[in-house]
Amino acid sequence: DQQVKQNSPSLSVQEGRISILNCDYTNSMFDYFLWYKKYPAEGPTFLISISSIKDKNEDGRFTVFLNKSAKHLSLHIVPSQPGDSAVYFCALYSGGGADGLTFGKGTHLIIQP
Amino acid sequence: NAGVTQTPKFQVLKTGQSMTLQCAQDMNHEYMSWYRQDPGMGLRLIHYSVGAGITDQGEVPNGYNVSRSTTEDFPLRLLSAAPSQTSVYFCASRGRTHTAYEQYFGPGTRLTVT
Repeated sequence: DQQVKQNSPSLSVQEGRISILNCDYTNSMFDYFLWYKKYPAEGPTFLISISSIKDKNEDGRFTVFLNKSAKHLSLHIVPSQPGDSAVYFCALYSGGGADGLTFGKGTHLIIQP
Repeated sequence: NAGVTQTPKFQVLKTGQSMTLQCAQDMNHEYMSWYRQDPGMGLRLIHYSVGAGITDQGEVPNGYNVSRSTTEDFPLRLLSAAPSQTSVYFCASRGRTHTAYEQYFGPGTRLTVT
């Protein structure tokens, strides 16, 4: 059973508008909630994170929101730019046990001019 | 720094063949991991290592072997390739800091098993 769900395989947004990517999770044991960005033929790169004790973290045009009661994570990008077109993965990190990240399936964001 | 490098970029194998995917990092990171990404799926952890000489299994370890004789290198071995192992393989590394979740990924190896 999937622990991390990104229910939108793709999202198309006009340049300059806000992009909102969503992620739901089932297990509350994770310490950090992350977003990774991936361009074609490249590995994922870390974008932004939020600790389980916070509900918002901002970094320039990127803001991540965490709603623990709803087990929901979202990434807001504003304003959206053409270079933001990529696949965005939601990932959860538990800090213990298997040393790795639990990834969602990804959302392909397309920024239209 | 080159970061995390992976070779080869592409590989085609026949069922039953063996091969080793190479991964190296020059950031002196203790932790290294192998993930696979199948179409329409997120990345899944195959094996990981918390330091030279120490390895452990991830979510999908069957059919793969790893070893970690040096800090820099973490090769992934397929002993007898199967079509189900057709995937893109990513190697990652990270240091032992408070931002331990920030993994650095290589560019990937696209493997096809026929």
